[in-house]
Amino acid sequence: QKEVEQNSGPLSVPEGAIASLNCTYSDRGSQSFFWYRQYSGKSPELIMFIYSNGDKEDGRFTAQLNKASQYVSLLIRDSQPSDSATYLCAVTGPNSGYALNFGKGTSLLVTP
Amino acid sequence: GAGVSQSPSNKVTEKGKDVELRCDPISGHTALYWYRQSLGQGLEFLIYFQGNSAPDKSGLPSDRFSAERTGGSVSTLTIQRTQQEDSAVYLCASSTPISGGAVGTDTQYFGPGTRLTVL
Repeated sequence: QKEVEQNSGPLSVPEGAIASLNCTYSDRGSQSFFWYRQYSGKSPELIMFIYSNGDKEDGRFTAQLNKASQYVSLLIRDSQPSDSATYLCAVTGPNSGYALNFGKGTSLLVTP
Repeated sequence: GAGVSQSPSNKVTEKGKDVELRCDPISGHTALYWYRQSLGQGLEFLIYFQGNSAPDKSGLPSDRFSAERTGGSVSTLTIQRTQQEDSAVYLCASSTPISGGAVGTDTQYFGPGTRLTVL
């Protein structure tokens, strides 16, 4: 089983701060990387995807990918209490049959 | 447009009974995936359909689990002789490859899930 690892948290940040969420993966053949947000009792909601090394920005969210280090991260700027949720890192590629291989998620708490 | 829909939203059954879970993907999406999420656990891949065929059944936990997809649209996940360890949220996702995108770049969109409780 190819591994996707995330710190379970909880990660607590004050409102307005930057939240940094990290993910490592073991399969070097991985091609696509996704961040999903999951509120308690709800299904995962796609935030961002990234395929190429470097940074990708979308509003307050920035995804960072480093394939050499097998590391992907998500930065949330100007964190809001509504960002409090579990963030799931997911990885896919030919070795997984293109099914998403999920980490167990990091719980983020943004305090007012 | 409409998202992925699943039914029922909740299902309570007795151990040993069979259950059917339904997924209606986003219109036009060719790929369909089933996952399950147990309490406190990550999402576990079960099975993947491309059109009506299932090239990857590697995640099905036992032969009590089966799935089919007809007309390249609706899919049904069947669990026979349910056990208490089958209790979980069963999530369906659909996707279609991004035009011109590399294989494996398609984005999966999830339905609301079916919460299965086996007593």
